[in-house]
Amino acid sequence: AQTVTQSQPEMSVQEAETVTLSCTYDTSESDYYLFWYKQPPSRQMILVIRQEAYKQQNATENRFSVNFQKAAKSFSLKISDSQLGDAAMYFCAYRIRGSSNTGKLIFGQGTTLQVKP
Amino acid sequence: DTGVSQDPRHKITKRGQNVTFRCDPISEHNRLYWYRQTLGQGPEFLTYFQNEAQLEKSRLLSDRFSAERPKGSFSTLEIQRTEQGDSAMYLCASSWGRGNSGNTIYFGEGSWLTVV
Repeated sequence: AQTVTQSQPEMSVQEAETVTLSCTYDTSESDYYLFWYKQPPSRQMILVIRQEAYKQQNATENRFSVNFQKAAKSFSLKISDSQLGDAAMYFCAYRIRGSSNTGKLIFGQGTTLQVKP
Repeated sequence: DTGVSQDPRHKITKRGQNVTFRCDPISEHNRLYWYRQTLGQGPEFLTYFQNEAQLEKSRLLSDRFSAERPKGSFSTLEIQRTEQGDSAMYLCASSWGRGNSGNTIYFGEGSWLTVV
């Protein structure tokens, strides 16, 4: 069974600084996607960044980037130049890639990020 | 594109009562998912629809839970004889997908259920 683990329940960062959120996963599949989702308090979950497992290049979206280590099954999120609006719960998620599967996401437990002014 | 909408946003019910949540996915999204999320935890998959067909159900979905998606548009999730352990946020999500497409899954704001 696939599992996703986020070992940091809470993190804090000073505004304008950089923070890294950790995620590890376990799977026997070779073809999959990895995601980071952001869930602000009382608001809907939105996609921050995605990574296809077959791509060696780490994904980047503006201030957000990932460090994808396939052999180590590690997928960390780096937020640069942190802003107050980045404060939220962040979820790492996994999804099998394949025509016969449902495409459901498997989530980690989440990391609450606090941004200090 | 109005996003995924869920109704009601909050529901307080007495133990033993039935509740029903509705989800309207993004127009033309053929895939629809229900998840359950408890406070401070990540969402857990409940069930999946492709168009009107319910193709996967989690073991979390006990006999008291039933979900439908008539005509492949909106979906309902009903919980019968609610228990305090059912208290959670029920999230709906949708996407467009064919084959191994990895199209983005969009989430609604969730329906909070409190069973007293």
